Amino acid sequence: DAGVTQSPTHLIKTRGQQVTLRCSPKSGHDTVSWYQQALGQGPQFIFQYYEEEERQRGNFPDRFSGHQFPNYSSELNVNALLLGDSALYLCASSLGLGRYEQYFGPGTRLTVT
Amino acid sequence: AQRVTQPEKLLSVFKGAPVELKCNYSYSGSPELFWYVQYSRQRLQLLLRHISRESIKGFTADLNKGETSFHLKKPFAQEEDSAMYYCALSEGYNTDKLIFGTGTRLQVFP
Repeated sequence: DAGVTQSPTHLIKTRGQQVTLRCSPKSGHDTVSWYQQALGQGPQFIFQYYEEEERQRGNFPDRFSGHQFPNYSSELNVNALLLGDSALYLCASSLGLGRYEQYFGPGTRLTVT
Repeated sequence: AQRVTQPEKLLSVFKGAPVELKCNYSYSGSPELFWYVQYSRQRLQLLLRHISRESIKGFTADLNKGETSFHLKKPFAQEEDSAMYYCALSEGYNTDKLIFGTGTRLQVFP
């Protein structure tokens, strides 16, 4: 089991563009959460998906949206990119909601120029 | 608002010395507290959670509700403990949302 996988590893985009990041959860997991980690900061919760629905959302604008597919994989979409969106985006998966350990992926490094 | 504070960005000790990484939180309910660790070139991973009351790799952490603290301790540091440590808080039941501190880098010198 490769654990949580994310793609791509690195991404460079221009201000105003749109980006899609992808996450495959650990085998057997059905819940996916997304975090943004700016340089020198701890991860910040963006949102969580369970049973293909957004269950909880952090303090992020509507430019950040997501999706969960029937196979539990997930996408994070960011529209109208700003320079401040440059960060490491982490995906974490778990089984169920709030009961078991979350496993993190290696992250996608997004640079907005 | 919920908040996790890790006052030290960097903690440097020599091998064999005791280690204490500080974590304070603010939350009105009964939170669940965690310590996550990130070793060089590895992904973020759970080190321990307060409800399990385990000792992992010699590390322990006690939840002090009076002082709203969850400090991470180890009596004798090892070089392999060098890593980035994050304290995190969860609101508890039915959520995976974690609120992280800014992290403390632990350097253990030989």
